[in-house]
Amino acid sequence: GNSVTQMEGPVTLSEEAFLTINCTYTATGYPSLFWYVQYPGEGLQLLLKATKADDKGSNKGFEATYRKETTSFHLEKGSVQVSDSAVYFCALRRSDNAGNMLTFGGGTRLMVKP
Amino acid sequence: DAGVTQSPTHLIKTRGQQVTLRCSPKSGHDTVSWYQQALGQGPQFIFQYYEEEERQRGNFPDRFSGHQFPNYSSELNVNALLLGDSALYLCASSQFGGAFPSGANVLTFGAGSRLTVL
Repeated sequence: GNSVTQMEGPVTLSEEAFLTINCTYTATGYPSLFWYVQYPGEGLQLLLKATKADDKGSNKGFEATYRKETTSFHLEKGSVQVSDSAVYFCALRRSDNAGNMLTFGGGTRLMVKP
Repeated sequence: DAGVTQSPTHLIKTRGQQVTLRCSPKSGHDTVSWYQQALGQGPQFIFQYYEEEERQRGNFPDRFSGHQFPNYSSELNVNALLLGDSALYLCASSQFGGAFPSGANVLTFGAGSRLTVL
């Protein structure tokens, strides 16, 4: 079946540090890949996405590249801010598409200290 | 522009009871999906509604049922509540983009309804 594995948190960084959150997936074909962010008390917000191999999604300084050969979609940011503190979820949608059926990873909590 | 609104925000039930959660999709959206998010875990897909019909379903028992109304709003019903049903229930809406299955439509999530079963 399909699955998404994320590095366990919490990840604690100082402001302006470099961020990497690892995400690997298991799926047949070429799924679409997503990163969602969840701030306290709020719903999930789409951060970025990639729909085919070698695509790079980017938004608000965050980037992730769809690596088919390593089945990975790692999230990176060059300089984190305190406001980036949240829970980050990696997710996939099957290539034969299941409409709005996303498979999520367990989430990684990021804490950024001033 | 209102996003996805869910009600109630919090509720407490006892085992064996039934619960109904409500969702109003974002303006312009016609498809509603429901997810269950247990504490410390990622969301799990329950089902999706379009044109008032259940179109896809995840691995959830028949105790979980839903409905979509002509105005695109939706309800999630859970019967015979178990302790393990305690979770944050998320509603997500999108705009249908073609024949099922279809492409990577962007989901807009609500803040959720937190259900505690005692």
